[in-house]
Amino acid sequence: DAEITQSPRHKITETGRQVTLACHQTWNHNNMFWYRQDLGHGLRLIHYSYGVQDTNKGEVSDGYSVSRSNTEDLPLTLESAASSQTSVYFCASSERGDRDEQFFGPGTRLTVL
Amino acid sequence: AQSVTQPDIHITVSEGASLELRCNYSYGATPYLFWYVQSPGQGLQLLLKYFSGDTLVQGIKGFEAEFKRSQSSFNLRKPSVHWSDAAEYFCAVGGYSSASKIIFGSGTRLSIRP
Repeated sequence: DAEITQSPRHKITETGRQVTLACHQTWNHNNMFWYRQDLGHGLRLIHYSYGVQDTNKGEVSDGYSVSRSNTEDLPLTLESAASSQTSVYFCASSERGDRDEQFFGPGTRLTVL
Repeated sequence: AQSVTQPDIHITVSEGASLELRCNYSYGATPYLFWYVQSPGQGLQLLLKYFSGDTLVQGIKGFEAEFKRSQSSFNLRKPSVHWSDAAEYFCAVGGYSSASKIIFGSGTRLSIRP
């Protein structure tokens, strides 16, 4: 069955370190998204991609970067982790177009000390 | 700018009772509307979606939602809740002009009283 996976599921790091969160989907979807989930804010879009070599900033992109070298993967990098980036991160994918359901991964809980 | 408001942060209902979760949206064109459910420690799963046509939409797990353009609302309902319905529920809005992006509400946490 097609799926979307995230790794690691839990990560503790220190302020200033670079961290990369992996997202891998086997749906063969063109669109991929990264969100962060914080209490009281719901899900906020960090970055998104409509295909290989395409990346775009979302509403909370400062301090984060992504790259899309193939269809399956969209890794999220925190260049220099900050305590404000402690959150739960979700990756999602959709096939194409506005009407398509987004399929979500199980999430990564990141703690920055 | 598009936005979604879920006015209830936390709702508790008794098992077997009916449920209505509120959602109001702001969108400059015809909206696409979604309800997602998140069980503890899980990702989000789509319950139902509305694009056009019949304003009453049926979803999975016995849920339904009604689109009311005049009230800019898309409330989620279930006639009889089960303990397994305890979860966080998110309303979301997108549309043609959003280019596949959707905006999520802040969520409503549902607790079930035995």
